[in-house]
Amino acid sequence: DIQMTQSPSFLSASVGDRVTITCRASQSIGSYLNWYQQYPGKTPKLLIFGASTLQGGVPSRFSGSGSGTHFTLTISSLQPEDFATYYCQQSDTTLRLTFGPGTKVEIK
Amino acid sequence: QVQLVESGGGVVQPGRSLRLSCAASGFTFSSYAMHWVRQAPGKGLEWVAVMFHDGSNEEYADSVKGRFTISRDNSKNTLYLQMNSLRGEDTAVYYCARTGKDIAVVPAGVFYYYYMDVWGKGTTVIVSS
Repeated sequence: DIQMTQSPSFLSASVGDRVTITCRASQSIGSYLNWYQQYPGKTPKLLIFGASTLQGGVPSRFSGSGSGTHFTLTISSLQPEDFATYYCQQSDTTLRLTFGPGTKVEIK
Repeated sequence: QVQLVESGGGVVQPGRSLRLSCAASGFTFSSYAMHWVRQAPGKGLEWVAVMFHDGSNEEYADSVKGRFTISRDNSKNTLYLQMNSLRGEDTAVYYCARTGKDIAVVPAGVFYYYYMDVWGKGTTVIVSS
Protein backbone atom coordinates (compact mmCIF):
# COMPACT_ATOMS: atom_id res chain seq x y z
CA ASP A 1 0.00 0.00 0.00
CA ILE A 2 1.09 3.57 -0.65
CA GLN A 3 1.95 5.38 2.60
CA MET A 4 1.38 9.09 2.98
CA THR A 5 3.25 11.37 5.38
CA GLN A 6 2.72 15.04 6.16
CA SER A 7 4.88 17.69 7.73
CA PRO A 8 4.66 19.42 10.00
CA SER A 9 2.03 17.62 12.04
CA PHE A 10 1.33 20.86 13.88
CA LEU A 11 1.82 24.44 12.75
CA SER A 12 1.35 27.68 14.66
CA ALA A 13 0.87 30.79 12.51
CA SER A 14 -0.65 34.26 12.50
CA VAL A 15 -3.33 35.81 10.34
CA GLY A 16 -1.70 37.04 7.14
CA ASP A 17 1.15 34.51 7.22
CA ARG A 18 2.08 32.41 4.22
CA VAL A 19 1.77 28.77 5.21
CA THR A 20 3.09 25.68 3.45
CA ILE A 21 2.23 22.08 4.31
CA THR A 22 4.15 19.19 2.78
CA CYS A 23 2.83 15.76 1.84
CA ARG A 24 4.98 12.88 0.68
CA ALA A 25 4.03 9.54 -0.87
CA SER A 26 5.99 6.34 -0.36
CA GLN A 27 6.06 5.83 -4.13
CA SER A 28 5.32 7.95 -7.15
CA ILE A 29 1.65 8.86 -7.53
CA GLY A 30 1.93 11.27 -10.43
CA SER A 31 -0.44 14.12 -9.70
CA TYR A 32 -3.04 11.93 -8.00
CA LEU A 33 -3.14 13.93 -4.80
CA ASN A 34 -6.05 15.61 -3.04
CA TRP A 35 -6.21 18.04 -0.11
CA TYR A 36 -9.01 18.38 2.46
CA GLN A 37 -9.78 20.82 5.25
CA GLN A 38 -11.54 19.77 8.44
CA TYR A 39 -12.74 21.80 11.41
CA PRO A 40 -13.13 20.05 14.78
CA GLY A 41 -16.32 18.00 14.88
CA LYS A 42 -17.12 18.82 11.27
CA THR A 43 -17.11 16.99 7.96
CA PRO A 44 -13.98 17.18 5.78
CA LYS A 45 -14.15 19.51 2.79
CA LEU A 46 -12.36 18.93 -0.51
CA LEU A 47 -10.02 21.81 -1.36
CA ILE A 48 -7.81 20.57 -4.18
CA PHE A 49 -7.71 17.54 -6.46
CA GLY A 50 -5.20 16.47 -9.07
CA ALA A 51 -2.46 18.09 -6.95
CA SER A 52 -3.28 21.61 -8.11
CA THR A 53 -6.90 21.99 -9.25
CA LEU A 54 -9.02 24.04 -6.87
CA GLN A 55 -12.45 22.65 -6.11
CA GLY A 56 -15.23 25.08 -6.97
CA GLY A 57 -15.80 27.74 -4.33
CA VAL A 58 -12.40 27.34 -2.66
CA PRO A 59 -10.65 30.70 -2.17
CA SER A 60 -7.72 31.42 -4.46
CA ARG A 61 -5.37 31.90 -1.50
CA PHE A 62 -5.18 28.10 -1.45
CA SER A 63 -2.88 26.47 -3.97
CA GLY A 64 -1.40 23.06 -4.49
CA SER A 65 1.67 21.88 -6.31
CA GLY A 66 3.91 18.90 -6.79
CA SER A 67 4.04 15.56 -8.53
CA GLY A 68 5.58 12.16 -8.03
CA THR A 69 6.23 11.83 -4.31
CA HIS A 70 6.42 15.42 -3.06
CA PHE A 71 3.47 17.78 -2.79
CA THR A 72 2.67 21.06 -1.07
CA LEU A 73 -0.43 22.94 0.00
CA THR A 74 0.12 26.68 0.34
CA ILE A 75 -2.13 29.26 1.91
CA SER A 76 -0.86 32.59 0.65
CA SER A 77 -2.33 34.77 3.41
CA LEU A 78 -3.79 32.89 6.35
CA GLN A 79 -7.30 33.96 7.31
CA PRO A 80 -9.11 33.31 10.62
CA GLU A 81 -11.32 30.70 8.98
CA ASP A 82 -8.27 28.74 7.78
CA PHE A 83 -7.35 27.49 11.22
CA ALA A 84 -8.20 23.83 10.80
CA THR A 85 -6.63 20.44 10.11
CA TYR A 86 -5.49 19.64 6.58
CA TYR A 87 -5.20 16.16 5.10
CA CYS A 88 -3.63 14.99 1.90
CA GLN A 89 -5.02 11.93 0.13
CA GLN A 90 -3.57 9.85 -2.66
CA SER A 91 -5.81 8.70 -5.49
CA ASP A 92 -3.26 6.75 -7.51
CA THR A 93 -4.64 3.34 -6.53
CA THR A 94 -7.92 3.86 -8.31
CA LEU A 95 -10.43 4.01 -5.47
CA ARG A 96 -8.27 3.12 -2.47
CA LEU A 97 -8.11 6.76 -1.44
CA THR A 98 -5.83 6.68 1.59
CA PHE A 99 -5.10 9.75 3.71
CA GLY A 100 -2.06 11.34 5.23
CA PRO A 101 -1.97 11.82 9.02
CA GLY A 102 -2.98 15.47 8.93
CA THR A 103 -1.52 18.88 9.75
CA LYS A 104 -3.20 21.03 12.36
CA VAL A 105 -2.91 24.77 11.78
CA GLU A 106 -3.40 26.80 14.93
CA ILE A 107 -3.32 30.48 15.84
CA LYS A 108 -0.01 31.74 17.16
CA GLN B 1 -29.90 19.08 -2.47
CA VAL B 2 -27.12 16.53 -2.57
CA GLN B 3 -27.07 14.78 0.78
CA LEU B 4 -25.69 11.75 2.59
CA VAL B 5 -27.12 10.73 5.95
CA GLU B 6 -25.51 8.00 8.03
CA SER B 7 -27.27 6.01 10.71
CA GLY B 8 -26.89 2.86 12.76
CA GLY B 9 -24.12 3.86 15.10
CA GLY B 10 -24.18 3.14 18.81
CA VAL B 11 -22.46 1.45 21.71
CA VAL B 12 -21.58 -2.20 21.15
CA GLN B 13 -19.55 -4.76 23.06
CA PRO B 14 -16.27 -6.10 21.67
CA GLY B 15 -16.81 -9.06 19.40
CA ARG B 16 -20.35 -8.05 18.48
CA SER B 17 -21.71 -6.74 15.18
CA LEU B 18 -23.26 -3.54 13.90
CA ARG B 19 -24.61 -2.41 10.53
CA LEU B 20 -24.31 1.17 9.38
CA SER B 21 -26.44 2.74 6.66
CA CYS B 22 -25.93 5.77 4.48
CA ALA B 23 -28.97 7.20 2.71
CA ALA B 24 -28.24 9.24 -0.40
CA SER B 25 -30.43 11.87 -2.01
CA GLY B 26 -30.22 14.63 -4.58
CA PHE B 27 -28.04 12.76 -7.06
CA THR B 28 -28.02 9.57 -9.12
CA PHE B 29 -26.66 7.23 -6.46
CA SER B 30 -26.20 4.31 -8.87
CA SER B 31 -23.67 6.32 -10.89
CA TYR B 32 -21.14 6.80 -8.10
CA ALA B 33 -18.64 4.66 -6.24
CA MET B 34 -19.09 5.18 -2.51
CA HIS B 35 -16.71 5.07 0.44
CA TRP B 36 -16.70 4.62 4.18
CA VAL B 37 -14.15 6.69 6.08
CA ARG B 38 -13.69 6.72 9.83
CA GLN B 39 -12.10 8.99 12.40
CA ALA B 40 -11.19 7.75 15.86
CA PRO B 41 -11.45 10.28 18.71
CA GLY B 42 -8.69 12.87 18.36
CA LYS B 43 -7.19 11.06 15.37
CA GLY B 44 -6.99 11.54 11.62
CA LEU B 45 -9.10 10.28 8.77
CA GLU B 46 -8.83 6.61 7.86
CA TRP B 47 -10.20 5.24 4.61
CA VAL B 48 -12.16 2.05 5.37
CA ALA B 49 -13.82 0.66 2.25
CA VAL B 50 -15.14 1.45 -1.21
CA MET B 51 -17.75 -0.09 -3.47
CA PHE B 52 -18.04 0.55 -7.20
CA HIS B 53 -21.19 2.20 -8.52
CA ASP B 54 -22.74 -1.06 -9.66
CA GLY B 55 -21.52 -3.21 -6.79
CA SER B 56 -19.12 -5.04 -9.10
CA ASN B 57 -16.05 -4.44 -6.99
CA GLU B 58 -15.12 -3.54 -3.44
CA GLU B 59 -11.93 -2.90 -1.55
CA TYR B 60 -11.01 -2.66 2.11
CA ALA B 61 -8.36 -1.25 4.36
CA ASP B 62 -6.16 -3.96 5.86
CA SER B 63 -7.38 -2.97 9.32
CA VAL B 64 -10.94 -4.11 8.57
CA LYS B 65 -10.48 -6.73 5.85
CA GLY B 66 -12.29 -9.96 6.74
CA ARG B 67 -14.40 -8.27 9.45
CA PHE B 68 -16.25 -5.49 7.59
CA THR B 69 -18.39 -5.81 4.47
CA ILE B 70 -19.51 -2.93 2.31
CA SER B 71 -22.65 -3.26 0.23
CA ARG B 72 -25.24 -1.12 -1.49
CA ASP B 73 -28.83 -1.20 -2.66
CA ASN B 74 -29.14 1.11 -5.62
CA SER B 75 -32.92 0.70 -5.67
CA LYS B 76 -32.99 2.23 -2.17
CA ASN B 77 -30.15 4.72 -2.71
CA THR B 78 -28.42 3.30 0.32
CA LEU B 79 -24.90 2.23 1.21
CA TYR B 80 -24.17 -0.17 4.05
CA LEU B 81 -21.28 -1.24 6.22
CA GLN B 82 -21.62 -4.52 8.08
CA MET B 83 -19.13 -4.56 10.90
CA ASN B 84 -18.41 -7.88 12.61
CA SER B 85 -15.99 -8.90 15.34
CA LEU B 86 -15.76 -5.32 16.52
CA ARG B 87 -12.74 -4.17 18.51
CA GLY B 88 -12.01 -1.20 20.70
CA GLU B 89 -9.90 0.32 17.95
CA ASP B 90 -12.97 0.43 15.71
CA THR B 91 -14.40 3.17 17.93
CA ALA B 92 -14.81 6.17 15.62
CA VAL B 93 -17.10 8.47 13.73
CA TYR B 94 -17.97 6.71 10.48
CA TYR B 95 -18.57 8.86 7.41
CA CYS B 96 -19.86 7.84 4.03
CA ALA B 97 -18.55 9.81 1.09
CA ARG B 98 -19.26 10.05 -2.61
CA THR B 99 -16.52 9.57 -5.19
CA GLY B 100 -16.15 12.54 -7.46
CA LYS B 101 -14.30 12.19 -10.71
CA ASP B 102 -12.56 14.52 -13.10
CA ILE B 103 -11.16 13.55 -16.47
CA ALA B 104 -8.19 15.25 -18.11
CA VAL B 105 -7.55 14.59 -21.79
CA VAL B 106 -4.06 15.67 -22.75
CA PRO B 107 -1.60 14.64 -25.46
CA ALA B 108 -0.06 12.14 -23.05
CA GLY B 109 -3.37 10.39 -22.61
CA VAL B 110 -6.52 10.37 -20.51
CA PHE B 111 -6.19 10.78 -16.77
CA TYR B 112 -8.91 10.10 -14.18
CA TYR B 113 -8.80 12.01 -10.91
CA TYR B 114 -10.86 10.63 -8.02
CA TYR B 115 -11.73 12.38 -4.78
CA MET B 116 -14.43 12.52 -2.11
CA ASP B 117 -16.66 15.45 -2.94
CA VAL B 118 -19.75 14.87 -0.79
CA TRP B 119 -19.67 13.68 2.81
CA GLY B 120 -22.29 12.78 5.38
CA LYS B 121 -22.17 14.16 8.91
CA GLY B 122 -21.15 10.80 10.29
CA THR B 123 -22.44 8.28 12.81
CA THR B 124 -20.58 7.36 16.00
CA VAL B 125 -19.60 3.81 16.87
CA ILE B 126 -18.30 3.06 20.35
CA VAL B 127 -16.96 -0.40 21.05
CA SER B 128 -16.80 -0.94 24.77
CA SER B 129 -17.68 -3.52 27.37
